[in-house]
Amino acid sequence: EIVLTQSPGTLSLSPGERATLSCRASQSVSNSNLAWYQQKPGQTPRLLIYAASSRATGIPDRFSGSGSGTDFTLTISRLEPEDFAVYYCQQYGDSLTFGGGSKVEIK
Amino acid sequence: QVQLVESGGGVVQPGGSLRLSCAASGFTFSSYGMHWVRQAPGKGLEWVAFMRYDGSNRYYADSVRGRFTISRDNSNNTLYLQMNSLRAEDTAVYYCSKPPYPSGNLFDYWGQGTLVTVSS
Repeated sequence: EIVLTQSPGTLSLSPGERATLSCRASQSVSNSNLAWYQQKPGQTPRLLIYAASSRATGIPDRFSGSGSGTDFTLTISRLEPEDFAVYYCQQYGDSLTFGGGSKVEIK
Repeated sequence: QVQLVESGGGVVQPGGSLRLSCAASGFTFSSYGMHWVRQAPGKGLEWVAFMRYDGSNRYYADSVRGRFTISRDNSNNTLYLQMNSLRAEDTAVYYCSKPPYPSGNLFDYWGQGTLVTVSS
């Protein structure tokens, strides 16, 4: 099973700042089959990024994904108030597993 | 619009069984593989099971294989999860989820979830 480790656990930032979230896999994720989700309190997750760098339908371009192999990054270029949430990475190259999540909180 | 409505959750003793249902509408259910995903209270997401559109293949997380069974009724647009030999660590909100494309391993639409509590 591929284990995904997300860091940092919590990121404290102000609106307008840049957020950089990391997702590291225990082994290479085939075909960059990695996705990112956003979950706000009391809501279900929302698909943001798939195939490491492709934005899902309707996702603003301030969200971007990059990486390959075992190291992936989600970047939010300028945080909007609605972006403060928990973010999960998920790999689908070998079965399906999620990372433990990274919380982006208001500083 | 896509709607997924789970039901069947509740409180069950360790070792007990429960059957969850997910009623789907707003898309051609029989054309899509479907997933179950769970989230323990205050914790992260865990994929549980997937069934192909035609029921020909089923896949499970190691943590539930041999105890849980995913099934579907395409004539009634319903997905099921039969859960046996339940453990305390199975306590979670269980979501059914539709992928963005028929055989996808992504999670695009989610139901509101149904809470399963395993406790004596």
